[in-house]
Amino acid sequence: KAGVTQTPRYLIKTRGQQVTLSCSPISGHRSVSWYQQTPGQGLQFLFEYFSETQRNKGNFPGRFSGRQFSNSRSEMNVSTLELGDSALYLCASHWGARNEQFFGPGTRLTVL
Amino acid sequence: DQQVKQNSPSLSVQEGRISILNCDYTNSMFDYFLWYKKYPAEGPTFLISISSIKDKNEDGRFTVFLNKSAKHLSLHIVPSQPGDSAVYFCAASVGNNNDMRFGAGTRLTVKP
Repeated sequence: KAGVTQTPRYLIKTRGQQVTLSCSPISGHRSVSWYQQTPGQGLQFLFEYFSETQRNKGNFPGRFSGRQFSNSRSEMNVSTLELGDSALYLCASHWGARNEQFFGPGTRLTVL
Repeated sequence: DQQVKQNSPSLSVQEGRISILNCDYTNSMFDYFLWYKKYPAEGPTFLISISSIKDKNEDGRFTVFLNKSAKHLSLHIVPSQPGDSAVYFCAASVGNNNDMRFGAGTRLTVKP
């Protein structure tokens, strides 16, 4: 089975721009979660999508949004980028609750 | 609000010895705990989990201990191997909620 894929792997943007990151889950997995990883902060939960619906949301501003398509692929969008948004963005797929989440390699976003 | 804390950012252990990674949490509602391992340039990979109805779970060289009264869990690796060198994250969730809270991670270095 193919793993979780994320595109692009690296991205450089400037303040004020917006960015869209993509995540393709493992085939058969219907849930996709997004996390932000910054040094010293671990992984911060952004949101989870299940069957095209946002099921859970972390404590991030409204500039961070996402969606999920009928094939379970998910996108995350960040608008009006700030320097502090520079981070590794990870998505994870899982097929149900209480199951291990399988992570993609992440998208490294740098905001200049 | 860091509900899951890993107070040791790094740990160095000799090959063959025991590695003990610690994790504390503040939310008494957490009832499912996981450990993930992360190598550079890769996403975290699931290692081992434990439900709050247990106080120990073992999988090969890896054992997770849960002390609910102290809100503390630990991961024991015996014997430690150089390939275990990675960043280890503990995570916790409530019920069937996939909103997992992660610690900041502990970088384990196993010296040959």
